[in-house]
Amino acid sequence: DTAVSQTPKYLVTQMGNDKSIKCEQNLGHDTMYWYKQDSKKFLKIMFSYNNKELIINETVPNRFSPKSPDKAHLNLHINSLELGDSAVYFCASSQERRNTIYFGEGSWLTVV
Amino acid sequence: GEDVEQSLFLSVREGDSSVINCTYTDSSSTYLYWYKQEPGAGLQLLTYIFSNMDMKQDQRLTVLLNKKDKHLSLRIADTQTGDSAIYFCAGRVSGGYNKLIFGAGTRLAVHP
Repeated sequence: DTAVSQTPKYLVTQMGNDKSIKCEQNLGHDTMYWYKQDSKKFLKIMFSYNNKELIINETVPNRFSPKSPDKAHLNLHINSLELGDSAVYFCASSQERRNTIYFGEGSWLTVV
Repeated sequence: GEDVEQSLFLSVREGDSSVINCTYTDSSSTYLYWYKQEPGAGLQLLTYIFSNMDMKQDQRLTVLLNKKDKHLSLRIADTQTGDSAIYFCAGRVSGGYNKLIFGAGTRLAVHP
């Protein structure tokens, strides 16, 4: 059973489009995250939600909007996609005050 | 804020030991992690160490932490071709919420 699952795994889309990446975790965790990995493999946190509440919001363009309908889901919606948004987006989850953070398999986004 | 640095490449012969090094700047980091990323795959949590520990061993993996020098290392004994991957060091930012700051990753190549 996949603990943190993301869909889609691959997404190729044109500039200016709006797209969403979905994430679900079945670990019973109360905290979820979105990280971005650029073409040089550098990983950086974008957002974090704890019990559906936004707790980390790094310097990310407001074209990116996370949505957490419940503790097990954290979706990432991106408006007006730009070439520079091409990256791998990783969802992750953890239990607050616990030390292990589990990542999904990643969603490869290519904007053309 | 926290900054994490790693050397970018390491090449070893199959059967030898690999040592991947990492330095960090935030002395209040409570946990330090090692993640593995195989080509085209997600991030796999390998191990982590609490800041009050000097060493942690888990099968072929040994983590050493020198808190005074803010230096973390991952030793892989009897390195196999399946160990070829990018290894990321990450520190958990003090203050909670499990925000991880990642290094740039060390690309380990294992050759016969």
